[in-house]
Amino acid sequence: EPEVTQTPSHQVTQMGQEVILRCVPISNHLYFYWYRQILGQKVEFLVSFYNNEISEKSEIFDDQFSVERPDGSNFTLKIRSTKLEDSAMYFCASSEPGANTEAFFGQGTRLTVV
Amino acid sequence: AQSVTQLDSQVPVFEEAPVELRCNYSSSVSVYLFWYVQYPNQGLQLLLKYLSGSTLVKGINGFEAEFNKSQTSFHLRKPSVHISDTAEYFCAVNSPRRYSTLTFGKGTMLLVSP
Repeated sequence: EPEVTQTPSHQVTQMGQEVILRCVPISNHLYFYWYRQILGQKVEFLVSFYNNEISEKSEIFDDQFSVERPDGSNFTLKIRSTKLEDSAMYFCASSEPGANTEAFFGQGTRLTVV
Repeated sequence: AQSVTQLDSQVPVFEEAPVELRCNYSSSVSVYLFWYVQYPNQGLQLLLKYLSGSTLVKGINGFEAEFNKSQTSFHLRKPSVHISDTAEYFCAVNSPRRYSTLTFGKGTMLLVSP
């Protein structure tokens, strides 16, 4: 069964460092997403990406965040200068076009900023 | 704006007992509704979804949910739970105009004991 894969599963970084979270979406999907879940809080939408550009982003997704699809298979989330409050589980998801299609989620990357 | 409220953060239940996990939503437009499950150390997996039509939706693993528009609810039920159903359950909504940009509830931890 096709699946979304995320690496690494756990990343520890020092405050102020740049971090890149990686995702390989399902190969025939066209929409890609990042969500995050701070411990004990809701899963929150960050950004959606289609046709090599951002389709929608939340107010959380400020200038320190960026996304990229550097090749035909990877989808990355970069945080330029990490803060303690960026510590969270980050989920990548992908889907076919359409609101009624299922978003397939990866296992998540737990980011810990120290 | 849309929001989702999951009234119970944790639901303990004995094996083979019935369970209901509650979800209420608010939205100014029509919505699609979803339940996702997250097993320990895994990603989010779709249990079921309501798009239109019959208000009773059946999903995987014996779960079902009923859409109640007047009460803006989408409660998840299972007549007899197993130990293996122990997991975190997330209710989510999206607007038909916003493809798979989901708004999640905080999640309910279902704890099944022998």
